[in-house]
Amino acid sequence: EIVMTQSPATLSVSPGERATLSCRASQSVNNKLAWYQQRRGQAPRLLIHTVSTRATGVPARFSGSASGTEFTLTISSLQSEDVAVYYCQQYYNWKTFGQGTKVEIK
Amino acid sequence: EVQLVESGGGLVQPGGSLRLSCEASGFTFRRSWMSWLRQAPGKGLEWVANIKEDGSDKYYVDSVKGRFSISKDNAKNSLYLQMNSLRVEDTAMYYCAKDSEGYENWGQGTLVIVSS
Repeated sequence: EIVMTQSPATLSVSPGERATLSCRASQSVNNKLAWYQQRRGQAPRLLIHTVSTRATGVPARFSGSASGTEFTLTISSLQSEDVAVYYCQQYYNWKTFGQGTKVEIK
Repeated sequence: EVQLVESGGGLVQPGGSLRLSCEASGFTFRRSWMSWLRQAPGKGLEWVANIKEDGSDKYYVDSVKGRFSISKDNAKNSLYLQMNSLRVEDTAMYYCAKDSEGYENWGQGTLVIVSS
């Protein structure tokens, strides 16, 4: 099983500042990496797939990147509506999720 | 517009059974892999099972193998999850989702509570 490890557990960012979320895979996922946003009480929403491709309707302030088995989700200018838990997921070998990063407003 | 609507959740005693349903619309269901995922209260996301377009291949997370069974009825545009021998640790919100590059479409979820 490919283990996905996210950091930090909680991220406090001021409005308009950059938020950087990390996700590490225990082995190669062959670019099969997605990011989800889950606001309180809602179903998850796909933000990014294939490491860096934004899903339909996702604002340009969300971007994804990778370096080997290290993946990054960047929110370039945090808005109040971005308060949520963010999950990474690999779908190369079965499907496993990270434990989530909670983003809050400082 | 893609829509996925889950139903069938509820309160069940340990050892009991439930059958979840997911009604799909807005896409070609018979050509789609489908998944069930779950989220325990206050916890993260977990993939539970998925099924090939024609139902010929099915895959499960180890913790539910032998207890859960996924199926789909392409004539009814419906996905199912038969859950037997339920355990307290199966308590979660259960979501159906369309397999693609990631899961772009999710239902609103149906809550399963396993408790005596």
